[in-house]
Amino acid sequence: EAQVTQNPRYLITVTGKKLTVTCSQNMNHEYMSWYRQDPGLGLRQIYYSMNVEVTDKGDVPEGYKVSRKEKRNFPLILESPSPNQTSLYFCASSPEDHGRDQYFGPGTRLLVL
Amino acid sequence: AQTVTQSQPEMSVQEAETVTLSCTYDTSESDYYLFWYKQPPSRQMILVIRQEAYKQQNATENRFSVNFQKAAKSFSLKISDSQLGDAAMYFCAYRRGNYGQNFVFGPGTRLSVLP
Repeated sequence: EAQVTQNPRYLITVTGKKLTVTCSQNMNHEYMSWYRQDPGLGLRQIYYSMNVEVTDKGDVPEGYKVSRKEKRNFPLILESPSPNQTSLYFCASSPEDHGRDQYFGPGTRLLVL
Repeated sequence: AQTVTQSQPEMSVQEAETVTLSCTYDTSESDYYLFWYKQPPSRQMILVIRQEAYKQQNATENRFSVNFQKAAKSFSLKISDSQLGDAAMYFCAYRRGNYGQNFVFGPGTRLSVLP
């Protein structure tokens, strides 16, 4: 089954404790992205990657890191989480064809205390 | 920078009736794509419909259709014969046509369907 998986689905942590949210896709897609969703703001792109070792900042990259060492994986790293990073996070992937849609993961709900 | 605006935070429609959700965007690009996504309570993001800016014909997918006005930078979604399962958050999104993965989403419209 073609899918994007994220782990964990729910996470409660404390300020300053490093965490990683994993994202994996099994469709051999070139493009992958991370978004955060906040009420009244929609989804905002954090980082995206156009292929292995190629990443670029989205609209809200501050406080986040990413890496793309393998085509299928695109982890999101919060080196020192803060309460304003409490949000719902989505990973998405899509093929290189610009007209094609994104496939979204199920989302990760993060609470930073 | 591109922006996407959805001026209706909430809308409601009677079952079997028609509703139109509004979306406007701001861009200086000529090549781009526009999307409507549905997010039900499960939070899963589901593509509803897609429009290529170079196509003049409005996209249609079953009960869903768009009114794409390129000069006015408007991209509204019409849902015909509304069903209870259409109740969800709807997001309008913009993607630059020749620059990878840079998506911009609107703030969303919450649609309620009344029986």
